[in-house]
Amino acid sequence: RKEVEQDPGPFNVPEGATVAFNCTYSNSASQSFFWYRQDCRKEPKLLMSVYSSGNEDGRFTAQLNRASQYISLLIRDSKLSDSATYLCVVNMESTLTFGKGTMLLVSP
Amino acid sequence: EAQVTQNPRYLITVTGKKLTVTCSQNMNHEYMSWYRQDPGLGLRQIYYSMNVEVTDKGDVPEGYKVSRKEKRNFPLILESPSPNQTSLYFCASSLYRGDEKLFFGSGTQLSVL
Repeated sequence: RKEVEQDPGPFNVPEGATVAFNCTYSNSASQSFFWYRQDCRKEPKLLMSVYSSGNEDGRFTAQLNRASQYISLLIRDSKLSDSATYLCVVNMESTLTFGKGTMLLVSP
Repeated sequence: EAQVTQNPRYLITVTGKKLTVTCSQNMNHEYMSWYRQDPGLGLRQIYYSMNVEVTDKGDVPEGYKVSRKEKRNFPLILESPSPNQTSLYFCASSLYRGDEKLFFGSGTQLSVL
């Protein structure tokens, strides 16, 4: 079973839409969780951490469901500039494991 | 400016010709790491280092070497490159292993013919 799984997409949405991605992880002892953003052929960058109580940063909301072992990222009012690949990252005993990413394409 | 600097950005070489990809960070980070990224396979860790003179294998270390003689530098060495090492490589650093804030270099696209 893969450690961190994501739907590769692409998710094609119009500007202004709300879109959500899920990511599942296999190890129930995983300690912390993050979302990174990667533009095409560029370096990944930390988007936000995912806290147990959920957290919001502007149009972005991240949530954690430990019982079902998944994290989610919700993007409201999508912008063209949100087009990117979103990587789910899980920290287990100080080892960061990256998902393969979900591609988002926002069109005018 | 806080950054991780990788060089070169692009590299084309031939099978068997030794090469080094340099990586340097100016944030006094203890932890540094190398990843390769391939279509459909995502980011896979090659080697990492938790401090000077301390290096460990990641998930895909075969065919690679690293060294950490100074805190700021963490070069990746391919002694005898093969075509299956054609990939996009990223160096990264953070304050400590497992830190959420991993700073990546801008990547090195390597093609081995």
